[in-house]
Amino acid sequence: EVQLQQSGAELGKPGTSVKLSCKVSGYNIRNTYMHWVNQRPGKGLEWIGRIDPANGNTIYAEKFKSKATLTADTSSNTAYMQLSQLKSDDTAIYFCVLKFAYWGQGTLVTVSS
Amino acid sequence: DVVMTQTPLSLPVSLGDQASISCRSSQSLVESNGNTHLHWYLQKPGQLPQLLLYKVSNRFSGVPDRFSGSGSETDFILKISRVESEDLGVYYCLQSTHLPYTFGAGTKLELK
Repeated sequence: EVQLQQSGAELGKPGTSVKLSCKVSGYNIRNTYMHWVNQRPGKGLEWIGRIDPANGNTIYAEKFKSKATLTADTSSNTAYMQLSQLKSDDTAIYFCVLKFAYWGQGTLVTVSS
Repeated sequence: DVVMTQTPLSLPVSLGDQASISCRSSQSLVESNGNTHLHWYLQKPGQLPQLLLYKVSNRFSGVPDRFSGSGSETDFILKISRVESEDLGVYYCLQSTHLPYTFGAGTKLELK
């Protein structure tokens, strides 16, 4: 069974960074892309970007190019997303998504001073 | 970016009704190899999205056959043949043919 376990909720101050993790079991992440999606409070879904864990290649949606940094550690089958220069507008739930079929439970990031 | 337009944004139904949700893309979602990467999700209240259909019409594992998908190029439809209470929530379409990938705004399926 494929499972994605994300790290716990984060409270970040404006201007700081947070790093989220997504540990996968039941599937080797080297074999496919890992996507990240966000959902702002009461809003819809937004694709942030993807990483190919086999080679580290990344593609980002334009608005996230200077916001998100995706990495992956194939030895631990874990993907990461760092969000930098946090603003209140970054407050959202962030999901990792495998093959567009398997979703992590989401990590709530709250940006507040 | 490909814009995904879902209609309606809200769909009041009675249990047992048939329901249809439309998703239109601003450009064709057909890849050069003939694949069409249009997928449908349901997000129930307080839950994470769950994949219903992938590549237009393929039901994901465990999805009841009352869910069906159709369409081509830029126009796609999700149909629920007989709505059950567990079907209530927000439905999203997603295109993963063109980068960046984009979601529709969502259609809320709710009881009349």
